[in-house]
Amino acid sequence: DQQVKQNSPSLSVQEGRISILNCDYTNSMFDYFLWYKKYPAEGPTFLISISSIKDKNEDGRFTVFLNKSAKHLSLHIVPSQPGDSAVYFCAASESRVGRDDKIIFGKGTRLHILP
Amino acid sequence: DGGITQSPKYLFRKEGQNVTLSCEQNLNHDAMYWYRQDPGQGLRLIYYSQIVNDFQKGDIAEGYSVSREKKESFPLTVTSAQKNPTAFYLCASSPTSVSYNEQFFGPGTRLTVL
Repeated sequence: DQQVKQNSPSLSVQEGRISILNCDYTNSMFDYFLWYKKYPAEGPTFLISISSIKDKNEDGRFTVFLNKSAKHLSLHIVPSQPGDSAVYFCAASESRVGRDDKIIFGKGTRLHILP
Repeated sequence: DGGITQSPKYLFRKEGQNVTLSCEQNLNHDAMYWYRQDPGQGLRLIYYSQIVNDFQKGDIAEGYSVSREKKESFPLTVTSAQKNPTAFYLCASSPTSVSYNEQFFGPGTRLTVL
């Protein structure tokens, strides 16, 4: 049973426009959420994160929004650039105290930025 | 400079042979992890270790083994018991001194079993 779901396997966006990647989770114990970016044949790189005490975190062109009541988060990239074409993984975890030390990953969304 | 290294980048083995994938980190992280990535499957956790000489099974540990004799190193052995070993293998590490688990990944090893 998937605890972190990325329901869109792929997404195409025009260069310069906004890219919105969505992620849903089922485990209400998750309180920390991350986005990773991955190019083919490379390891994922950390992009941005948000803890459950916030509903928004911004870093340059990247903003993550968290809606705890809906168990939903989204990553906004604006403006989208050709180098943003990659697979984006949503991930979630619980705070560390007294629990298994795991991050749960979604299956990823492949983003294509069109010229 | 600090980071996680995985070697080799590409590995070919004959069916029935065990193979060991290397993962080394100089970030002074306590925790290390092994994932495999298959097309359309995302990242699936094989094994993880939060401290030297201790490790736990992840979601797909069957057919794999690990050791954690040194803080810097977490090698993964893909045994002949693993039914479908061809995949992209990723190693990651994270500090345990912080409240939240934020993992840093190596460049990966693509294993092809012929």
